[in-house]
Amino acid sequence: DIQMTQSPSSVSASVGDRVTITCRASQGISSWLAWYQQKPGKAPKLLIYAASSLQSGVPSRFSGSGSGTDFTLTISSLQPEDFATYYCQQANSFPLITFGQGTRLEIK
Amino acid sequence: QITLKESGPTLVKPTQTLTLTCTFSGFSLSTSGVGVGWIRQPPGKALEWLALIYWNDDKRYSPSLKSRLTITKDTSKNQVVLTMTNMDPVDTATYYCAHIPRAPTILFDYWGQGTLVTVSS
Repeated sequence: DIQMTQSPSSVSASVGDRVTITCRASQGISSWLAWYQQKPGKAPKLLIYAASSLQSGVPSRFSGSGSGTDFTLTISSLQPEDFATYYCQQANSFPLITFGQGTRLEIK
Repeated sequence: QITLKESGPTLVKPTQTLTLTCTFSGFSLSTSGVGVGWIRQPPGKALEWLALIYWNDDKRYSPSLKSRLTITKDTSKNQVVLTMTNMDPVDTATYYCAHIPRAPTILFDYWGQGTLVTVSS
C-alpha cells in the first residue's frame, strides 16, 4: 500500500506569512495528487489536482508542485480564512485511494 | 450547480448494517466519466476513502473494507447507496459522498455536507 505522510502535522503562522506543507508518498505516484482544505465542521474542499492544477474558484495564493514522491502545497500570503486543516490525496495506486494524515494550520 | 446530500441513520447498534443514501443534483451518473465516491472521517481523525461507483456501474472498494461494503446507484433517482455490514464502534464517523468529475482521475470536486453516524449499543 502507498502511504502518504504529511509534514508538519501542525503549523502556526501569521496573516501574510508564506506557508509550505509537504506530502511524501511511500512510492512514486507520478502527478496523481490532490490537496484539500477542511474547516471545522465542514466538508473538505478541493484546492489542487494533478499536483499543480488550481481548481476553479480557488485563490491564486494557493499553489502546488511536485511529482513522483514529494509534493508541496504553498500558500503565498496567508489570509484569515486560510486557517484550516489540509489533506493530500493520492489516486495512483488504485484500488486504494489514500489521504495524508492532515496538517493543521493555526493562527500564531 | 452540483450538490450532494447524505442521508441515513445517525445511530446504529453494533453488528447492524448501515445504509446511507447520497442524493445529488446538477449532474447525471449516466454521463461518461462521472462517478460518486464515499469517504468517512472519524471524529478528530483523517479522511478515509471507502468506495466509488462510475457511470458505467464499475465499482471499486477499499481493500480493507471490501467484504463489508456494497455500493449501488439509481440513475433515475440521482442516488447512490452505500451499505456497510457488521458495524462496530470504530466505524463511528462522519460519512461523506462526493462527485468524481472524470474517470480515471480520482479526485473529489464536490462534497456533501456529511452525516455523522454513531455506533453504540
